Formats: sequence, structure tokens, C-alpha cells
Amino acid sequence: DVQLVESGGGLVQPGGSLKLSCATSGFIFSNSAIHWVRQSSGRGLEWVARIRSKAKTYATTYAASVKGRFAISRDDSKDTAYLQVNSLRTEDTAVYFCVGSTTNGDYWGQGTQVTVSS
Amino acid sequence: NFMLTQPHSVSESPGRTVTISCTGSSGNIATDYVQWYQQRPGSAPTTVIYEDDQRPAGVPDRFSGSIDSSSNSASLTISGLMPEDEADYYCQSYDINGCGVFGGGTKLIVL
Repeated sequence: DVQLVESGGGLVQPGGSLKLSCATSGFIFSNSAIHWVRQSSGRGLEWVARIRSKAKTYATTYAASVKGRFAISRDDSKDTAYLQVNSLRTEDTAVYFCVGSTTNGDYWGQGTQVTVSS
Repeated sequence: NFMLTQPHSVSESPGRTVTISCTGSSGNIATDYVQWYQQRPGSAPTTVIYEDDQRPAGVPDRFSGSIDSSSNSASLTISGLMPEDEADYYCQSYDINGCGVFGGGTKLIVL
């Protein structure tokens, strides 16, 4: 079974930082692009960032709303992806989902809640 | 900025067929693949269509996807509607810079 498990979310003050993790199993992680997608309460999905595979030079892309504040990375030896979120703002409050893009479709984790509040 | 536009909601009766559209604001929607995700209340999204028209294992063949370049749109069609199909559906593709773009989501109501 394919599994993606996010962790690292929590309550943080504006301007603070967190490092989100996405531990995966059940698919060939090293061949797959990984995305982070977020969803504010009662709202739609917002794409955040993507990191491609080693074959695609680990290329990264970011949404304009997070560029320069967030950093996506991966460790193929651990089948794990990360999202370092810095300079957090109240509008970054959301559930953050990790998504694995495979040749058989995209697999989603259950998400981790990030709440930015003073 | 490239945007994908979906109807806010659609409704149909069980057993009938419904089509949800996803229209690109510019360019050619056929340039990059379109994915469709289903999200039931309180749950994470799941993929029902990827790469325009491919179904992941376990997704019933009642779900199908298509692209219409003439209208710059993608469509998700669900036939033989069942009560459990009631959910939010999102289309997704990429802009010219490779950034992901989601449609605003469509609430499917199965009457």
C-alpha cells in the first residue's frame, strides 16, 4: 500500500518557522516528484511547491505566495520529503498535504495542520 | 496569471451522468496534463483522473476525463452516479512557469 505521512505541523507565532516532513512508502520515491499543497479551513486547494526527481536534477518550483520563504527538499535514502516554512504569516494557516506523483497517478497524505497565530 | 475555472456546484440524480468542466484562462490546456481530485468532507483528496484521461487503480470506470482544445477546457464525467460520489472535485494543471494551478473546486450534489 502507498502511504504518505506528514508531520511537523503545529502552532507558531507570526514570523516563526517549522519544518514539515513527509515520510513515504509503497512506491518508488526516488523516481517521483513530490508536491506540497495546502488548504485553509473551508477553502479550496492551493499548490505550494514541487521538487522533481534526481533524473530531473531535483528541480524545484514554488508558488509566488511562498517563494523566498519556503524551501522544499528531499532525502531519497529515507524516502522522505520536507518543507521548511519560514517567516510565517497568518495567511499561511492551513492543512499542508504532501503529494507523490508517480507513473500510476498522484498519492496524497492525510495532511498536517499549521496554525500561525500570536 | 493562468487560472482554471470550474462551476461552483453541480447537481444530478443517482444513476444519471454529470460532467464537470475546467476551463483554462489562457494558452492551450493541452500543453500540460490535467488531473482531477475528489475530496469528501473531512478527508484528504484522492486522485480520480491523472494525465488527462488515466484512471488510477481502484477508481471505477464510471469516472472519465477528457480534453477539448477548441474550448481550452478539460472535463470530468461521472456516469451512473452514486450517493458516495457526492464530494468536491478539483482540476489541476500547470502554468507556463511549471507552477501548479488548481481550479476553485466544484461541489457535486447527488440529489
